[in-house]
Amino acid sequence: DTGVSQDPRHKITKRGQNVTFRCDPISEHNRLYWYRQTLGQGPEFLTYFQNEAQLEKSRLLSDRFSAERPKGSFSTLEIQRTEQGDSAMYLCASSQGLSQETQYFGPGTRLLVL
Amino acid sequence: AQSVTQPDIHITVSEGASLELRCNYSYGATPYLFWYVQSPGQGLQLLLKYFSGDTLVQGIKGFEAEFKRSQSSFNLRKPSVHWSDAAEYFCAVGAGGSYIPTFGRGTSLIVHP
Repeated sequence: DTGVSQDPRHKITKRGQNVTFRCDPISEHNRLYWYRQTLGQGPEFLTYFQNEAQLEKSRLLSDRFSAERPKGSFSTLEIQRTEQGDSAMYLCASSQGLSQETQYFGPGTRLLVL
Repeated sequence: AQSVTQPDIHITVSEGASLELRCNYSYGATPYLFWYVQSPGQGLQLLLKYFSGDTLVQGIKGFEAEFKRSQSSFNLRKPSVHWSDAAEYFCAVGAGGSYIPTFGRGTSLIVHP
């Protein structure tokens, strides 16, 4: 069990560019969550998957954001036409089975939009 | 919708002193309550959780928390703080079904030697 991993750890991009982040959950965890955390705030829920199905999306997830989990394993979060307000830490978490409430978080991807 | 208030943005304690971090929640039914810790450059780590039963919950690293329904609180305590406890602490409340937690804004713990 190597924990939840995220790639890249840091990303600097220019406004208007597209970025994609990857999350690898703990193996056999069927739920995967994405959160956004801005400076001085707690994480805010964006979306989650149960296996490959995207079950819930926050209103924070504008149409420039899209997430996928095509085979029920890793997930990607894409932001199109990035804006400076997208600068944040993007966190991924996973959970499993009867302990769905216990989420294991990855180290996050810090995005800076110039 | 549920919400969480952590009234203290920063808390400073001396190493070896006791600690209490405050958390108040708002939720119509019996909540699921969590405390997480986040160290610089690290992901969030679950310290403890409350779902039902005994209102005093023991967690990792010597932390405990007490659920008080009458006060809508879930304060985190530790009898003796270590320098390695310096970090950001987040209280969260979750609802049944999806278990998606709503986080507070966090309390930054500073430990003086």
